[in-house]
Amino acid sequence: NAGVTQTPKFQVLKTGQSMTLQCAQDMNHNSMYWYRQDPGMGLRLIYYSASEGTTDKGEVPNGYNVSRLNKREFSLRLESAAPSQTSVYFCASNSGAGYNSPLHFGNGTRLTVT
Amino acid sequence: GQQLNQSPQSMFIQEGEDVSMNCTSSSIFNTWLWYKQDPGEGPVLLIALYKAGELTSNGRLTAQFGITRKDSFLNISASIPSDVGIYFCAGPPSNQGGKLIFGQGTELSVKP
Repeated sequence: NAGVTQTPKFQVLKTGQSMTLQCAQDMNHNSMYWYRQDPGMGLRLIYYSASEGTTDKGEVPNGYNVSRLNKREFSLRLESAAPSQTSVYFCASNSGAGYNSPLHFGNGTRLTVT
Repeated sequence: GQQLNQSPQSMFIQEGEDVSMNCTSSSIFNTWLWYKQDPGEGPVLLIALYKAGELTSNGRLTAQFGITRKDSFLNISASIPSDVGIYFCAGPPSNQGGKLIFGQGTELSVKP
């Protein structure tokens, strides 16, 4: 039981390049989330998917797109990377969109955009 | 937008000391959550609080849901080196459909 798995662990991009961050969970969770973590700013929600087939914007969605490929997988795409997107990205999941279900996080993808 | 303010931002303590940190909000929360992030990993849930005034322990950790419902506190007793990490409070603002927001984090360093 791996929990939430993110790939890659590290990535360096040049400004304007595109990439997709992958996330998969094996806990049969309905809801999945993408957060970014920046020093002094905590975790900020980028996009989330309350259930398979639905996605919604979070606090900081600009410059990102997401795809809920199936119940297990939720990917985050940067179409044209910018230095402001240098951050650590975390995928998380829980059994429902409500707060009674704890979030389970992956170990993060460390992205640097030069 | 809605914010959670954590203090202190960082702490440097000696092994064996007790630690206190808190989290405040400008609006009422019905749930408070405390997460810990070890270096290089994702956050892990430590304690969940669901009622005003609730006091809950998890080993050496104790958290309280403030009576005003606008704050929460986390205490760690007799700190050890593995307590090192970033502690986040989190909660679901009532106007955001249950999505969690996180505080800025308190970074704890423990000197052996």
